[in-house]
Amino acid sequence: KQEVTQIPAALSVPEGENLVLNCSFTDSAIYNLQWFRQDPGKGLTSLLLIQSSQREQTSGRLNASLDKSSGRSTLYIAASQPGDSATYLCAVNMNRDDKIIFGKGTRLHILP
Amino acid sequence: SQTIHQWPATLVQPVGSPLSLECTVEGTSNPNLYWYRQAAGRGLQLLFYSVGIGQISSEVPQNLSASRPQDRQFILSSKKLLLSDSGFYLCAWSVTGFSANYGYTFGSGTRLTVV
Repeated sequence: KQEVTQIPAALSVPEGENLVLNCSFTDSAIYNLQWFRQDPGKGLTSLLLIQSSQREQTSGRLNASLDKSSGRSTLYIAASQPGDSATYLCAVNMNRDDKIIFGKGTRLHILP
Repeated sequence: SQTIHQWPATLVQPVGSPLSLECTVEGTSNPNLYWYRQAAGRGLQLLFYSVGIGQISSEVPQNLSASRPQDRQFILSSKKLLLSDSGFYLCAWSVTGFSANYGYTFGSGTRLTVV
């Protein structure tokens, strides 16, 4: 059974710093991995989607990497800003009925 | 472009009252549709998913039900709400065979408080 873990559960970082959020999964036979952002009381916004054949994806200050063999993905945020404060969730798609499995998220707080 | 609408945004309902939350998708055909619940301090729990009209699969036994009367409409219902039904409900869609490129898209959510 696939399990997705995100560590740490919460993180506080001064503004301007680069940071890395981690996501690990137990079954490496994934179809793709998706990173989401969730602001308090809001829905999920898709940030980056990495297909199983890809190693990384970039969007602006965000870079997501995928290492299937080791069961890991990282989300790198460059030059963090207070507006980056949110909960970040990763989710893996096992291509079984197209359902995805979420981690519990990392709550990020950027200190002004 | 594809969009997903979910309403209402917030809802306060008394215990024992009925519930109907609606989700509609635009700009795509034959999507897979999902209802998730996010309880306070907990992760996202998949409640129902549907791969077509009238086809509903339940992930967990509960006081809720789902229906898909039209291709792009997904409804979450309850006949009698319980206090434990409180939470943040999210609708999402994906397209089989294309999720490698497009992933999941989520609605803005409904905050349900049962009092």
